[in-house]
Amino acid sequence: EIVLTQSPGTLSLSPGERATLSCRASQSISNNYLAWYQLKPGQSPRLLIYGASSRATGIPDRFSGSGSGTDFTLTINGLEPEDFAMYYCQPYGNSRAFGQGTQVEIK
Amino acid sequence: EAQLLESGGGLVQPGGSLRLSCVASGLTLSPYAMGWVRQAPGRGLEWITAITGSGDSTYYADSVQGRFTFSRDNSKNTLSLQMSSLRAEDTAIYYCAKGNSRSRPYYFDSWGQGTLVTVSS
Repeated sequence: EIVLTQSPGTLSLSPGERATLSCRASQSISNNYLAWYQLKPGQSPRLLIYGASSRATGIPDRFSGSGSGTDFTLTINGLEPEDFAMYYCQPYGNSRAFGQGTQVEIK
Repeated sequence: EAQLLESGGGLVQPGGSLRLSCVASGLTLSPYAMGWVRQAPGRGLEWITAITGSGDSTYYADSVQGRFTFSRDNSKNTLSLQMSSLRAEDTAIYYCAKGNSRSRPYYFDSWGQGTLVTVSS
């Protein structure tokens, strides 16, 4: 089972700044089968990125994913007020356990 | 607009059972793998189970293996999660999620609004 470690646990930023979230896997994720999700209080999770770098339908281009193997990054360029939320990474090959999440909060 | 709607949550005593359902509207589920993900109070997302589009294979997290059973009825476009021997640590919001393909690999591209399960005496 692949274990994902997300860092930092909390990211305190101001609107307009860039957020860089890390997701590190305990072993290589084949074919970049890694997804990122956003979760806000009282809402359902929302798919942002799949295949490590492909944006899901309707996701603004300020969200981008990168990385391969064991190191992956979600970048949010120019934080909007609605982007302050929890973010989770998840592999979707044979392993499916989510990372523990990164909270992006308003500074 | 395609939607997933969970139901069946509520308060149950430790050791009790509960059955969650997930129905789809505006969407045929049979071509897609499906899963359940939960979020306990103050905790992160936890994948707990998944089923292939045909229903011939199911997968479970260790935390629910042997206690939860995931099934689907494609003729009724519905899914069921039978939960037994419930524990306090099963208290969570349970989300039904749709995979983007029939079998692995798949990510969850659509989610229900969630149903709250509370295990307490």
